[in-house]
Amino acid sequence: NAGVTQTPKFRILKIGQSMTLQCTQDMNHNYMYWYRQDPGMGLKLIYYSVGAGITDKGEVPNGYNVSRSTTEDFPLRLELAAPSQTSVYFCASKGAGLLYEQYFGPGTRLTVT
Amino acid sequence: GIQVEQSPPDLILQEGANSTLRCNFSDSVNNLQWFHQNPWGQLINLFYIPSGTKQNGRLSATTVATERYSLLYISSSQTTDSGVYFCAVGVNRDDKIIFGKGTRLHILP
Repeated sequence: NAGVTQTPKFRILKIGQSMTLQCTQDMNHNYMYWYRQDPGMGLKLIYYSVGAGITDKGEVPNGYNVSRSTTEDFPLRLELAAPSQTSVYFCASKGAGLLYEQYFGPGTRLTVT
Repeated sequence: GIQVEQSPPDLILQEGANSTLRCNFSDSVNNLQWFHQNPWGQLINLFYIPSGTKQNGRLSATTVATERYSLLYISSSQTTDSGVYFCAVGVNRDDKIIFGKGTRLHILP
């Protein structure tokens, strides 16, 4: 099993551009999450999903969109990128219910200039 | 929403010392994990511990759910223990998992 994979690893965007961060898991997990981590800070929840077709907002959803058309994939879309979105983005997944641990991908480092 | 507070925010220790990291949370939780983020940014699962006590080598963790706190113990610290330790919790009212701000641990050789 590859676990949770994220692409790309690094990306530089210009202000106003858009992009999609990809996240895929091969553990058949129902739950998937997107977090952002600013330098020297903790992780903030952007969006999460409890299954295909179901998504919900986290702590900091503004400026982002998500979709969940399959169990495996949970892409994060940035529209009109802003410097405030410069961060490291982590995707995570876990099994159904609250009695399972999260597994994290390696992260995507995004710079918006 | 639930609040997660970690203390201390920063800790500098000599190699070989012991340490205790604390995580306080403001609501009943059904999910609690401790993670180590190494200097390369990778998040490593340490413990899944919504209640009780677990041990793994030099690390152990205790969660007292009724009093809304968890402790992570690191004994005989090594320089490879350096990094940031995060506590993350989930409540059964919703499916969010929220992180604390972390404790930054620096072990001096």
